[in-house]
Amino acid sequence: EPEVTQTPSHQVTQMGQEVILRCVPISNHLYFYWYRQILGQKVEFLVSFYNNEISEKSEIFDDQFSVERPDGSNFTLKIRSTKLEDSAMYFCASEPSGITDTQYFGPGTRLTVL
Amino acid sequence: DQQVKQNSPSLSVQEGRISILNCDYTNSMFDYFLWYKKYPAEGPTFLISISSIKDKNEDGRFTVFLNKSAKHLSLHIVPSQPGDSAVYFCAASKNTGFQKLVFGTGTRLLVSP
Repeated sequence: EPEVTQTPSHQVTQMGQEVILRCVPISNHLYFYWYRQILGQKVEFLVSFYNNEISEKSEIFDDQFSVERPDGSNFTLKIRSTKLEDSAMYFCASEPSGITDTQYFGPGTRLTVL
Repeated sequence: DQQVKQNSPSLSVQEGRISILNCDYTNSMFDYFLWYKKYPAEGPTFLISISSIKDKNEDGRFTVFLNKSAKHLSLHIVPSQPGDSAVYFCAASKNTGFQKLVFGTGTRLLVSP
């Protein structure tokens, strides 16, 4: 069964450094998302992406964040200058057609900012 | 911003019995609801969903009930199995198609043999 994959599984970085989190959505899916979950808190929406454009972003998704689909398969989240409070699990999700709202999630990348 | 609430942080059930997980929402614009299961160090796994035009949806051992007037939904698992032990998240979205999901805080289900 096709699945969303994410790399790396764990990323440790120093405060102020740039990180790129990578996702490979399910191949025939058209809509892509990033969510994050800070330890002990709920999963929260960051950004949605369709047709090479951001569709919606949350207030968390400030100028330090960017997303890109550099080729036909990868979907990346970049944090330009990481802060301690960016430490969280980051989940990528994809949705096939935008009709049923069923989003399929990857296993996540644990980002630790020191 | 507590638009989706799961008031029970944990639930313990014996194998073979029914598990009932509850979820309340406040935003009347939500019209699509999903349940996800999550194991530690894994991403949320889609379980079952329901549109606001229905009040019940069933898939094998899993049934979701929606009470729009009460803004309440529940997930029933019958019979419960030890492998069902995980954190269950309720999520909601507005309209259909390409909408962000708003998650509850989750309920940790423990099914004991």
